Order: sequence, then structure tokens, then C-alpha cells
Amino acid sequence: QKEVEQNSGPLSVPEGAIASLNCTYSDRGSQSFFWYRQYSGKSPELIMFIYSNGDKEDGRFTAQLNKASQYVSLLIRDSQPSDSATYLCAVGLRSGTYKYIFGTGTRLKVLA
Amino acid sequence: DTGVSQNPRHKITKRGQNVTFRCDPISEHNRLYWYRQTLGQGPEFLTYFQNEAQLEKSRLLSDRFSAERPKGSFSTLEIQRTEQGDSAMYLCASNPSWEINEKLFFGSGTQLSVL
Repeated sequence: QKEVEQNSGPLSVPEGAIASLNCTYSDRGSQSFFWYRQYSGKSPELIMFIYSNGDKEDGRFTAQLNKASQYVSLLIRDSQPSDSATYLCAVGLRSGTYKYIFGTGTRLKVLA
Repeated sequence: DTGVSQNPRHKITKRGQNVTFRCDPISEHNRLYWYRQTLGQGPEFLTYFQNEAQLEKSRLLSDRFSAERPKGSFSTLEIQRTEQGDSAMYLCASNPSWEINEKLFFGSGTQLSVL
């Protein structure tokens, strides 16, 4: 079982719709959860982070965390073609050392 | 704050040659990470430094890979006797906190092609 799992997609949504991206993780000791966006050929850039159960909103983005289900999601409202990218879920672990584990990413396509 | 800098941006080498990459983290960032990313995959953890100490190295990492961070500033990643399977983007990231809840600042990466 991979430590962080994501559906690789592609996930296609029409412009203006809500895009829903999901991620599950295996280590219950995971303490922090991040969503990064990565455009082709570029390095990842942080979109959202969340540490506590519940929802966290930032503009068009909402991160949701459910530690009991070991599940984290990202909602993108009013999706724009510029949101088309790969979205990487990352989990922060403190197991002796500090380590961040990434999922394989979900490719999102927003159709104009 | 000039960001995380990686050099070179691109490296083409022949199989069997040694290559070395450099990463300059954001100044005073005490943690530094190396990741490898292949097409269609997420970044794969390679190794992690806290100051000059290499605290963790992926079990998947071949003995051909070695990393250093002398004086706790810049870091180098060396791959000896490169193989075609080493072709990937090598990403360096750093962050400043003693806590886990800190985002990673990524460099632009070094794209390695092994012919």
C-alpha cells in the first residue's frame, strides 16, 4: 500500500464548475497535510495546508481533513482553465525525523 | 530571500558517467530535502538534512547516490555510474522550522537525462 494515494486522473471539469480532488494516507501518525499545484515542467507550489479535522477555506480553494478516515480533499470552486495542472497531495510525518511524502498527483483539466 | 536555487537546470550525460547537482536553500533554512520526480509521478523522497546532518536516506536509494551538506548551507547530490533509469527531475526543497507544519520551498529542479 502506498503511503499517500491519489487518483491519477485526468479529472476533466467544465469552466466554472467545482473540481474535487481526493487523497488518502496510510500513516496515522501523519500530522500535516498539504496540497501543491504543479504545472508541466515546473516545480510544485503550495496551494493549501491543513492540520486539524474539518474544512479550511482560502479564496476559491477549500481543504477538508478527516483523520479518522485518513482522508484529505481539495475543492476548487469556479474552476478556471488556468487551474489545469497536476495537484499533489503531501503528508508531513514526524517519525524520528521530519519527512514529507507525496502522492502521485491528480491531473486536472478545466475545459473552456 | 532569493528562493531555493538549483544548478544546473539541465544535465545530459552518458551512461556510466558521474554527475553532481547543487542546491542552495533559502538562507537560514535548517532543513533541506532532495526529491526525485519522473513523468507522471509525484516527488519521491531521497534524503533529508537538518543543518549539516543527514538524518534520513530513502531505503530505495542506491549506493550510487550520495548527498552532502557541508557547513549546513548548500547541498550537493552526486550520482555515480549513472544509468538510464536515473533520468528524472531532481528537486531540492528547504524549510525553516523545527515543526513539521511548515511548507516546503522548492527549487526549479535539475532535469537529468542519461543517454
